[in-house]
Amino acid sequence: KQEVTQIPAALSVPEGENLVLNCSFTDSAIYNLQWFRQDPGKGLTSLLLIQSSQREQTSGRLNASLDKSSGRSTLYIAASQPGDSATYLCAVPNSGGSNYKLTFGKGTLLTVNP
Amino acid sequence: EPEVTQTPSHQVTQMGQEVILRCVPISNHLYFYWYRQILGQKVEFLVSFYNNEISEKSEIFDDQFSVERPDGSNFTLKIRSTKLEDSAMYFCASRLADRGPGYTFGSGTRLTVV
Repeated sequence: KQEVTQIPAALSVPEGENLVLNCSFTDSAIYNLQWFRQDPGKGLTSLLLIQSSQREQTSGRLNASLDKSSGRSTLYIAASQPGDSATYLCAVPNSGGSNYKLTFGKGTLLTVNP
Repeated sequence: EPEVTQTPSHQVTQMGQEVILRCVPISNHLYFYWYRQILGQKVEFLVSFYNNEISEKSEIFDDQFSVERPDGSNFTLKIRSTKLEDSAMYFCASRLADRGPGYTFGSGTRLTVV
């Protein structure tokens, strides 16, 4: 059974800092990995999707890496801003079958202080 | 950018009442899902739907739950007799195709059972 762990559970940084959020998963036979952002009481916004054949994906100030063999992904946020404050979730699909359900981590609550 | 639309955004219902949560997935997507998130907990899979039938359901998705795609555009989740523990944020999601493409989630319906 796939399990996803995110470290740290919470992170508070001053504006302008670069930071790294970590995600690990137990079953490395994944098709891809997706990072989401969740604002309090809101939905899930997809940030980055990395296919299993890729090592990293970039979107603006965000860079996500994937190391399938070690079961790890990182989300790097450059020059953090107060608007980046949110919970960041990583999710991986199950490896068997075609229904492709996602297993989520519990998330990292990021606070960027002005 | 295409969106998954969910209505209502917030629903309050009395214990024992039936509720229907509605979703309009992205029009050319083929795979449809419901997830839920109890306050403070992980996002968890409820059910997947493909080719007009359920392809997988979790142990949470018992006989009180049902899903329908009645008209080719809407995708609904019905809870027949709500319990207090059904209070959660319910997310609808869709995907274009198998394996590769990532998920697009709706903004969620917050269900409060009183």
